[in-house]
Amino acid sequence: AQSVTQLDSHVSVSEGTPVLLRCNYSSSYSPSLFWYVQHPNKGLQLLLKYTSAATLVKGINGFEAEFKKSETSFHLTKPSAHMSDAAEYFCVVSNSGGYNKLIFGAGTRLAVHP
Amino acid sequence: DVKVTQSSRYLVKRTGEKVFLECVQDMDHENMFWYRQDPGLGLRLIYFSYDVKMKEKGDIPEGYSVSREKKERFSLILESASTNQTSMYLCASSLRVGGNQPQHFGDGTRLSIL
Repeated sequence: AQSVTQLDSHVSVSEGTPVLLRCNYSSSYSPSLFWYVQHPNKGLQLLLKYTSAATLVKGINGFEAEFKKSETSFHLTKPSAHMSDAAEYFCVVSNSGGYNKLIFGAGTRLAVHP
Repeated sequence: DVKVTQSSRYLVKRTGEKVFLECVQDMDHENMFWYRQDPGLGLRLIYFSYDVKMKEKGDIPEGYSVSREKKERFSLILESASTNQTSMYLCASSLRVGGNQPQHFGDGTRLSIL
């Protein structure tokens, strides 16, 4: 069975400092992995996706994530936080067994302080 | 860009009413999904559809039904609304069957059942 664990429910950083949101996954298959962001009262927006090409994946708004098979991790990073990055972030693994069902982590709420 | 449009951002209904939530996508996607999102419980899949008139139960289908008469439109139906169905409802679509296609989300409908 596939699963996703986001290791922090809340992360707080200062504007201009690096962001690290941690995600571990479990999958019997070679996984497809995604990071989504959700701003208040909005739907989920795709930040980036890993689909077995390059292990370092670049996404929108300066975010990137590195797939590490040996550690079963897919952590999301950004070199310098901006106030507009404050949101909830979801790490997601795809059920490659069929129908493209997604399995969501519980989410990490990122706060950015001036 | 893919656009997934949910007909209402906010909706208030009464217990026992039949409630329809509508979702339309403009990218000819085969797959469409309905989720509900609750604090502390994350996103949970209610139903999905991989083709016109085809539907599959997700993780929490009880109390809900769906309709997909046209490829672009996927409706969620609460047959007899109850207060425990107060939630944020999110619709999503994806290009095709397979594990590496991201889902694209609408902005959500915040439904309150009084």
